[in-house]
Amino acid sequence: AQTVTQSQPEMSVQEAETVTLSCTYDTSESDYYLFWYKQPPSRQMILVIRQEAYKQQNATENRFSVNFQKAAKSFSLKISDSQLGDAAMYFCAYLYNFNKFYFGSGTKLNVKP
Amino acid sequence: DARVTQTPRHKVTEMGQEVTMRCQPILGHNTVFWYRQTMMQGLELLAYFRNRAPLDDSGMPKDRFSAEMPDATLATLKIQPSEPRDSAVYFCASGPGGTYNEQFFGPGTRLTVL
Repeated sequence: AQTVTQSQPEMSVQEAETVTLSCTYDTSESDYYLFWYKQPPSRQMILVIRQEAYKQQNATENRFSVNFQKAAKSFSLKISDSQLGDAAMYFCAYLYNFNKFYFGSGTKLNVKP
Repeated sequence: DARVTQTPRHKVTEMGQEVTMRCQPILGHNTVFWYRQTMMQGLELLAYFRNRAPLDDSGMPKDRFSAEMPDATLATLKIQPSEPRDSAVYFCASGPGGTYNEQFFGPGTRLTVL
């Protein structure tokens, strides 16, 4: 069965610093997709970044980048130059068979001014 | 600016009452998902549809929950009868299908069952 684990329930970072959120997953599949979603206090789920498992190159979106280690089944999110607006819950998600998403339990990120 | 809409945004009801939540997916999207979010369980997939047909509703309590798509512009999630343990935020998401089927989430319906 596919599972997604986020072992850090809460993290804090100083504004302008860098923080890394961890995510591991369990699968026997070779072709799948991974995502990071952000959920601010408004509750709106916002896609931050996605990674195709068949691509070795790590995805990057502006200040957000991932470290995808397929063999280790690890998919961490790095936020550079953290901003106050980055404070939110972050969910790691695994997509299998184009339809079924599995979400981790989330990491609450606090950004200190 | 295309977005998923959900109504109502908030619902307070008494145990035993019927609750219907509605979702309008983004025009052109052919997959629709219903999720429930609680502090204890996190985000749980309840059901999803492709081209209006239910593909998987294994995450949904069958005795009281039902999900339908009467047409391509409307998805409904119904709870009858509601119970206090159903209190949660219910999200609808839609996706264009295709290779990675990116999901676009609605703002959620916060349900409180007293």
